[in-house]
Amino acid sequence: QVQLVQSGAEVKKPGASVKVSCKAFGFIFIPYAMHWVRQAPGQRLKWMGWINPGNGDTKYSQNLQGRVTITRDTSANTVYMELDSLRSEDTAIYYCARQDSRGWFDYWGQGTLVTVSS
Amino acid sequence: ETVLTQSPATLSLSPGERATLSCRTSQSVSSSNSLAWYQHKPGQAPRLLIYDGSNRATGIPARFSGSGSGTDFTLTISSLEPEDFAVYYCQQRSNWPPTFGQGTKVEIK
Repeated sequence: QVQLVQSGAEVKKPGASVKVSCKAFGFIFIPYAMHWVRQAPGQRLKWMGWINPGNGDTKYSQNLQGRVTITRDTSANTVYMELDSLRSEDTAIYYCARQDSRGWFDYWGQGTLVTVSS
Repeated sequence: ETVLTQSPATLSLSPGERATLSCRTSQSVSSSNSLAWYQHKPGQAPRLLIYDGSNRATGIPARFSGSGSGTDFTLTISSLEPEDFAVYYCQQRSNWPPTFGQGTKVEIK
């Protein structure tokens, strides 16, 4: 059974960094592009970036360029999203999602709430 | 980036009724209808319902259907079941970056 299981909620101070993990179960993730999407309170889902787990290639949203880093550990079937220089507007639920062969997000993680507050 | 506008924001219906949700894109998506619909319930992972405009994802009941082309797309739920009350998002991938609508909440009347 395909599952993406994310790490737990985080509370961070402004200026800090956060690293969220997404572990894949039920499939080997190397052939699948893995994406991160976030949703701030009352806002729409926003795409953040993706990684090709096979070769580690990444692409990021221009709005987050320089602050977000997506990595993977193929031996652990896990992808990570690290966001630096956190601001209050980064408070959101962060989701990982698998891209299927047609290019759609067919499986999503359960979400990780990141709260940025002084 | 391509902006997706969903309407209405909230749809108040009773079980058994038909739901019609709209998604309009600021730029035309490609002829392959690069638009999808997702269902999202609080505390759960979003679920892919429809891809490429009109194809049901694996395991999605036949009461869900998608249609449309160009800039106007529709998700129809023919007869609402209790488990269908949720928020629905459309998403396009024809123009980079992928973008989502703001969602339509289908609530019990």
